[in-house]
Amino acid sequence: DVKVTQSSRYLVKRTGEKVFLECVQDMDHENMFWYRQDPGLGLRLIYFSYDVKMKEKGDIPEGYSVSREKKERFSLILESASTNQTSMYLCASRPGGGVNTEAFFGQGTRLTVV
Amino acid sequence: QKEVEQDPGPLSVPEGAIVSLNCTYSNSAFQYFMWYRQYSRKGPELLMYTYSSGNKEDGRFTAQVDKSSKYISLFIRDSQPSDSATYLCAMSAMGGNYQLIWGAGTKLIIKP
Repeated sequence: DVKVTQSSRYLVKRTGEKVFLECVQDMDHENMFWYRQDPGLGLRLIYFSYDVKMKEKGDIPEGYSVSREKKERFSLILESASTNQTSMYLCASRPGGGVNTEAFFGQGTRLTVV
Repeated sequence: QKEVEQDPGPLSVPEGAIVSLNCTYSNSAFQYFMWYRQYSRKGPELLMYTYSSGNKEDGRFTAQVDKSSKYISLFIRDSQPSDSATYLCAMSAMGGNYQLIWGAGTKLIIKP
């Protein structure tokens, strides 16, 4: 059974804090993604990684960074959390090799910045 | 203009009704079309997947692609309260990094 695990379901952080969101997949997938999901806006890609230590900016990378030191783990970092980063964060992984591969998602982390 | 447009709803229908969910897109290079279902407080899960134009049926669900109109649909027959969820369309093109481009998601409510 494939699995993408996000470290926290709910987080409350203060403005200005550095926040780490962790994601682990057990499927040996090359590609991993971080999205944020807001009502009416759908999934917006923050960053993705197609290999260890490789990263690419998505549509909304400002205020975020990522780290992928091992194939199975992809971390999202909010350098200095702000209230407009309150959102649902979704991690996904996907095999390499083609356009028709399924993306598998974690349960999501609902982050509230106060 | 977004590459993929999807009405966020909510769409509320009575149990047993036929539901039609739709997305339009602008990039003619899209060839793979997916529908994901997302229950409340869960991550999205793949529901159906089609390649190029045509129909695909899986139980009560039918996915339809009309590339000439750049329009895709998901039909749900005999809708059940358990079908209440957000339905997201996603699509990708050959080449590049095969990124999935997402619709905003339509929230569907099936009333008992």
